[in-house]
Amino acid sequence: EAQVTQNPRYLITVTGKKLTVTCSQNMNHEYMSWYRQDPGLGLRQIYYSMNVEVTDKGDVPEGYKVSRKEKRNFPLILESPSPNQTSLYFCASTYRQGLGGELFFGEGSRLTVL
Amino acid sequence: AQRVTQPEKLLSVFKGAPVELKCNYSYSGSPELFWYVQYSRQRLQLLLRHISRESIKGFTADLNKGETSFHLKKPFAQEEDSAMYYCALMDSNYQLIWGAGTKLIIKP
Repeated sequence: EAQVTQNPRYLITVTGKKLTVTCSQNMNHEYMSWYRQDPGLGLRQIYYSMNVEVTDKGDVPEGYKVSRKEKRNFPLILESPSPNQTSLYFCASTYRQGLGGELFFGEGSRLTVL
Repeated sequence: AQRVTQPEKLLSVFKGAPVELKCNYSYSGSPELFWYVQYSRQRLQLLLRHISRESIKGFTADLNKGETSFHLKKPFAQEEDSAMYYCALMDSNYQLIWGAGTKLIIKP
């Protein structure tokens, strides 16, 4: 089944403990992106990648890192998580951004930082 | 500044009543606009895009450049329409700018 898969789906961690949220897509999409969703703020883009080895900051990149070593994977890294990074995170992909605008989303990863 | 505004956080209507979810945008160029929907326990997914001029699940949205709006409408709401709806604008860098979302509740 063609889809975007995120792991973990739920995570509770403590301040400062490095964590990685994985994102994988099996649709051979060039473009991948990470968003965080907070009540009243909608979706805010953290980082995006137009292709392998190409990543760019979104609107709220502070405190996050990403990498795109393979086309299918786009992990989100929180080197030293803080409570203000408690949020619902979504990974999304599309064949090539700009062509139609349809993003395919993962199911979301709910992160709580204590 | 480029912005998408959804003025209603919550909209509650009775089944069978008309629905209008508001979306206003601020953009200097020629906009490409989208509506995404997230049903309970499902992934966020594209509902419709203005360039397609299509009707999906009975929903339509017309781009009004004069009023800079892209409101989502359905003449007769159904219970399965209950969901979170997001309006989005594609900017010149092909990134999507999102509204804050409107939660639609259809009452039986």
